[in-house]
Amino acid sequence: ILNVEQSPQSLHVQEGDSTNFTCSFPSSNFYALHWYRWETAKSPEALFVMTLNGDEKKKGRISATLNTKEGYSYLYIKGSQPEDSATYLCALANYGQNFVFGPGTRLSVLP
Amino acid sequence: SQTIHQWPATLVQPVGSPLSLECTVEGTSNPNLYWYRQAAGRGLQLLFYSVGIGQISSEVPQNLSASRPQDRQFILSSKKLLLSDSGFYLCAWSVRDRGEQYFGPGTRLTVT
Repeated sequence: ILNVEQSPQSLHVQEGDSTNFTCSFPSSNFYALHWYRWETAKSPEALFVMTLNGDEKKKGRISATLNTKEGYSYLYIKGSQPEDSATYLCALANYGQNFVFGPGTRLSVLP
Repeated sequence: SQTIHQWPATLVQPVGSPLSLECTVEGTSNPNLYWYRQAAGRGLQLLFYSVGIGQISSEVPQNLSASRPQDRQFILSSKKLLLSDSGFYLCAWSVRDRGEQYFGPGTRLTVT
């Protein structure tokens, strides 16, 4: 079973700061890596899907990269805003196994 | 457009009581359906998934069961709840295996 780790577990930043966190995995034997944002009292919302080593995706102030050779993906948030406060989940879609989620990184952006 | 519904939103049940959580999807046909649980302080854990009516795969042994009586209906059940069944339950659907999953609003279950 694929083990997905995320760090840090939680993070507090000031409004306007840029930040990043990590999703790491032991093997590149998966179909796709997904990032989700999960706000309190809402459903997880899909942010990015990446499949190839070197993939980079961007949506507004949020971007992500994938390095399958070294086993990690980074999520970057530029100029954090209070509305960015959420838990960010990483999930691997493994061949024949569906999704394996990491424990998430809880981001709090202080005004 | 596709939508996914879950109910109830919150539930408080005593230990030993039965459970039935329902999930329905609208606007798509033959979706893959999933039940996840988030226990306190932990990540999302896949409980069951289904690729078609009557087809259920269980990811972990547990006190729960799932059924798919109709194409767009997924039910999570238990005959006798345990304290450890408390958590946040999410239903999700996808168009195909390994594709993007879309989540419902969730059910907060507290077993007392």
